Amino acid sequence: GAGVSQSPSNKVTEKGKDVELRCDPISGHTALYWYRQSLGQGLEFLIYFQGNSAPDKSGLPSDRFSAERTGGSVSTLTIQRTQQEDSAVYLCASRPSASPGELFFGEGSRLTVL
Amino acid sequence: RKEVEQDPGPFNVPEGATVAFNCTYSNSASQSFFWYRQDCRKEPKLLMSVYSSGNEDGRFTAQLNRASQYISLLIRDSKLSDSATYLCVVNSGAGSYQLTFGKGTKLSVIP
Repeated sequence: GAGVSQSPSNKVTEKGKDVELRCDPISGHTALYWYRQSLGQGLEFLIYFQGNSAPDKSGLPSDRFSAERTGGSVSTLTIQRTQQEDSAVYLCASRPSASPGELFFGEGSRLTVL
Repeated sequence: RKEVEQDPGPFNVPEGATVAFNCTYSNSASQSFFWYRQDCRKEPKLLMSVYSSGNEDGRFTAQLNRASQYISLLIRDSKLSDSATYLCVVNSGAGSYQLTFGKGTKLSVIP
């Protein structure tokens, strides 16, 4: 499809395990964002990639979280040693550089840490 | 003060009603303002941008008051399909690409 694709859509893991979440942005979009949304909460900014520039990691909640974007396209968000408070929906969004505001979101990856 | 604050809601209104949502933001250097809509268990989608002069899109009107750091969204003639959570979104400062989302206000339009 032409939209932002995220996988897995659902992930259940045990506390202490590592997880990887994948985002495939819309082709040609240079900006890519990761947010997370906990139940009943707003979207929390995690990290931002723009082209070949250094990513803005200011929203990552701890050093257990990391993300990379290979070839300016696909991005992977990795959470090491997961904790129960990491349970949330992780949303990826991309943006065409010419449009400062409109973010196109994927359907999210719902992470449950038992 | 939180970066972006919205009416807590929920708003339960009958079909055909007019409803207004308010939002305040803390960073006076913010330049870009938006309303997003999020349906239950779905991803957010852009509803409309908010311009300094105010703007209208059909039944939806958005207004910005920079002096008061206040944004509003007015929905006229509410439809059942308008039921959703409305998110106020502000960029984090002059030229900033980082968008901060409010927690949202839930709207339920009742038959």
